[in-house]
Amino acid sequence: TQLLEQSPQFLSIQEGENLTVYCNSSSVFSSLQWYRQEPGEGPVLLVTVVTGGEVKKLKRLTFQFGDARKDSSLHITAAQPGDTGLYLCAGEASGTYKYIFGTGTRLKVLA
Amino acid sequence: DSGVTQTPKHLITATGQRVTLRCSPRSGDLSVYWYQQSLDQGLQFLIHYYNGEERAKGNILERFSAQQFPDLHSELNLSSLELGDSALYFCASSPHVPGPSYGYTFGSGTRLTVV
Repeated sequence: TQLLEQSPQFLSIQEGENLTVYCNSSSVFSSLQWYRQEPGEGPVLLVTVVTGGEVKKLKRLTFQFGDARKDSSLHITAAQPGDTGLYLCAGEASGTYKYIFGTGTRLKVLA
Repeated sequence: DSGVTQTPKHLITATGQRVTLRCSPRSGDLSVYWYQQSLDQGLQFLIHYYNGEERAKGNILERFSAQQFPDLHSELNLSSLELGDSALYFCASSPHVPGPSYGYTFGSGTRLTVV
């Protein structure tokens, strides 16, 4: 069974602080995606990383794909209350057609 | 609006009953995926259809079934409902292109409450 483990599970920080969320697996993924989900809504795609070692920036969010394509990280600089939500990594282990989600990181940014 | 339409948005039903959830994928997307999300289980993959054919199955109970129709909309049928089936059910769609996935587009979900 392919698993995507995220850490930390919960994170509560003050506005302006930096944070990093991790997504780890023992399986190789051809790509990984990061989503943010608001309560009662579906996940919204933030970014896709494809190449091992790839780094992508989306305003204050920086995403990195591990060299071996088994892990990824999401770094948020100067967090704002609008960043509050559930962050999910996801991917399809090569050849499975099963797109699985990570265990999730619930972020709360306090004003 | 993501382009993926799910109906109904809310559903309350009694144990033992049967319900049908409907999903219309984003225009041009051939793949439809169903997920179940409960508080203690996260997003669980149920089933994937591509252009009318079942492509992959996840942790889908035998009491649940799905299909994708020629117009590409999909239905998820849940029968002999139990209290534990109460959850958010999401549908997602994606285009089919060779190579790595570039992510899915999700609908806003159907909240099922079994009483």
